[in-house]
Amino acid sequence: EVQLVESGGGLVQPGGSLRLSCAASGFTFSSYSMNWVRQAPGRGLEWVSYISSTSSTIYYTDSVKGRFTISRDNAKNSLYLQMNSLRDEDTAMYFCARDKTDDSSTGYYYYMDVWGKGTTVTVSS
Amino acid sequence: DIQMTQSPSSLSASVGDRVTITCRASQSISSCLNWYQQKPGKAPKLLIYAASSLQSGVPSRFSGSGSGTDYTLTISSLQPEDFATYHCQQSYITPYSFGQGTKLEIK
Repeated sequence: EVQLVESGGGLVQPGGSLRLSCAASGFTFSSYSMNWVRQAPGRGLEWVSYISSTSSTIYYTDSVKGRFTISRDNAKNSLYLQMNSLRDEDTAMYFCARDKTDDSSTGYYYYMDVWGKGTTVTVSS
Repeated sequence: DIQMTQSPSSLSASVGDRVTITCRASQSISSCLNWYQQKPGKAPKLLIYAASSLQSGVPSRFSGSGSGTDYTLTISSLQPEDFATYHCQQSYITPYSFGQGTKLEIK
């Protein structure tokens, strides 16, 4: 079964750090790009970061640039998100999601086809 | 950055109804538009990718259409399990962006 399982969330004070992990199973992790997406309580989804299969390409949303670092260990089938200088507004459920590419005659299309159940991050004093 | 605007924000409908949700991008996204369904306390589930391609295992009552800046998700005949929140997402360029969501409720 294709599965993603996040861990590492918790309660942290503003300015603190957390490292989220996402364990992948049931597919060839090293062949896929990955994403982190978050959802603040009662809010919509917000894409946070992307990493390509070989870690050669990385993107972040502006609000986390310089504070968050995405990484992966293909030997361990794991994705990570190091979160530093946490702010109240980083409070959210954090999901990891597999990035899939559809190579059609009209171009390349990217979408997130497998999601974990999420891990909760609460930033509060 | 590309802004995604969904309408309506919420919708009440009955089992058997035909429902349409709209998503508008702030610039052309060339059909790089995905739709997800999310139930309370659960992860999003992919329904439609590339504007109109049905994800494997998703019932055929779900369909997507559109081009350029305007896209729609249609549910042809609502079933009880379809009451959820629906999100559109552009994957044309990073930062990827989502609409604010449309909550579909039982009338």
